[in-house]
Amino acid sequence: QMQMQESGPGLVKPSETLSLTCTVSGGSIRSDNYWWGWIRQSPGKGLEWIGIVFYSGSIYYSTSLRGRVTISVDTSKNQFSLKLTSVTAADTAVYYCARQFAYGKWYLDLWGRGALVTVSS
Amino acid sequence: QSALTQPPSVSGSLGQSVTISCTGTISDIGSNNVVSWYQQAPGTAPKVIIYEVNNRPSGVPDRFSGSKSGNTASLTISGLQAEDEADYFCGSRTGDSTLIFGGGTKLTVL
Repeated sequence: QMQMQESGPGLVKPSETLSLTCTVSGGSIRSDNYWWGWIRQSPGKGLEWIGIVFYSGSIYYSTSLRGRVTISVDTSKNQFSLKLTSVTAADTAVYYCARQFAYGKWYLDLWGRGALVTVSS
Repeated sequence: QSALTQPPSVSGSLGQSVTISCTGTISDIGSNNVVSWYQQAPGTAPKVIIYEVNNRPSGVPDRFSGSKSGNTASLTISGLQAEDEADYFCGSRTGDSTLIFGGGTKLTVL
């Protein structure tokens, strides 16, 4: 059964770059059925969709984060990654990686456990 | 783009039904049938319970149902059980190919 796991630093300094990787196990990231995405949740707040990547490299980004965010995929490692530049305290959140159905279905059916990233000096 | 609008909290007694609304605009909920709903228990990742307005993934009880009218989607939970107590989020595709969520609704089972 497919699983997803986020990894990366739990503490990032203001103005620096947040970097996270999601490792997919139990199945291939090279699937025509899914996109691979990042979602975050600030403490006590709602969900915010960051963006998705297809194994071919096609990408969609949130309009609010476009310009600071980069999502990439490494099919050889069955991983995809998130980079968010110029972080501030407002970027402190639990970051989830998730699988999003393709073919226009736009829902997330498999999630990682989440990784808390704190932005602080 | 602003988040979809959900009531911050709803409550219901064991065995009763509750409905959670999710209001968007013509640019998101009103323009497609790809509304989804997620259940999130404390300290856990969200879990999809409804997709494409009114479809349930395998394993989700039929007590959960979804609907949509105009720019508003709704989630109804019938026969409330104690384990339904959680946060619920709606989500919708937008016209510029992004996904937008609601602010979340905390369900309390009395």
